[in-house]
Amino acid sequence: AQSVTQPDIHITVSEGASLELRCNYSYGATPYLFWYVQSPGQGLQLLLKYFSGDTLVQGIKGFEAEFKRSQSSFNLRKPSVHWSDAAEYFCAVGAEGFQKLVFGTGTRLLVSP
Amino acid sequence: DAGVTQSPTHLIKTRGQHVTLRCSPISGHKSVSWYQQVLGQGPQFIFQYYEKEERGRGNFPDRFSARQFPNYSSELNVNALLLGDSALYLCASSQGQGNYNEQFFGPGTRLTVL
Repeated sequence: AQSVTQPDIHITVSEGASLELRCNYSYGATPYLFWYVQSPGQGLQLLLKYFSGDTLVQGIKGFEAEFKRSQSSFNLRKPSVHWSDAAEYFCAVGAEGFQKLVFGTGTRLLVSP
Repeated sequence: DAGVTQSPTHLIKTRGQHVTLRCSPISGHKSVSWYQQVLGQGPQFIFQYYEKEERGRGNFPDRFSARQFPNYSSELNVNALLLGDSALYLCASSQGQGNYNEQFFGPGTRLTVL
């Protein structure tokens, strides 16, 4: 069965510092991997996705993620965090054929001045 | 262009009642998926509809049902509400049915069951 683990429930980062959010997945075939962001009272916004090819993928808002098959990981990174990045971040895995996504429990990012 | 819209925004029901949630996809999108997000958890897949046919169903009881209309809008129905059904219900739309097509999420309907 598919599953996603986000081991960090909360992370606090100083504004301007770098960020890495961890994501580990379990999936039997080649996974489709996603990172979404959710601000309070908002729906989910896609940051980036990985289907195949280059294992380092670039997304919106300066985010990037690296797919490491050997570690079953898809960690999200940003070199310099802005206060507006404070939100909940979800990693998700899916299959190619239809759109069931399995989400992790999320990581809440707090940005300190 | 308008994004995915959901109605109502908030809803309060009592145990045993029935509820209908509505979703209008982005124009041109033919796939609609529903997710339940309990407080403090990630979204959990309920249904996917594509071209008015059910294409996927998550691990939810038969009290949950959905349908898609000819204009591709969708309804999620929940019967015999339980306290545990309290959650944010998210609708997502995309052009096609596979994960290669980006899903765009609506703001959700917050359901509270008392």
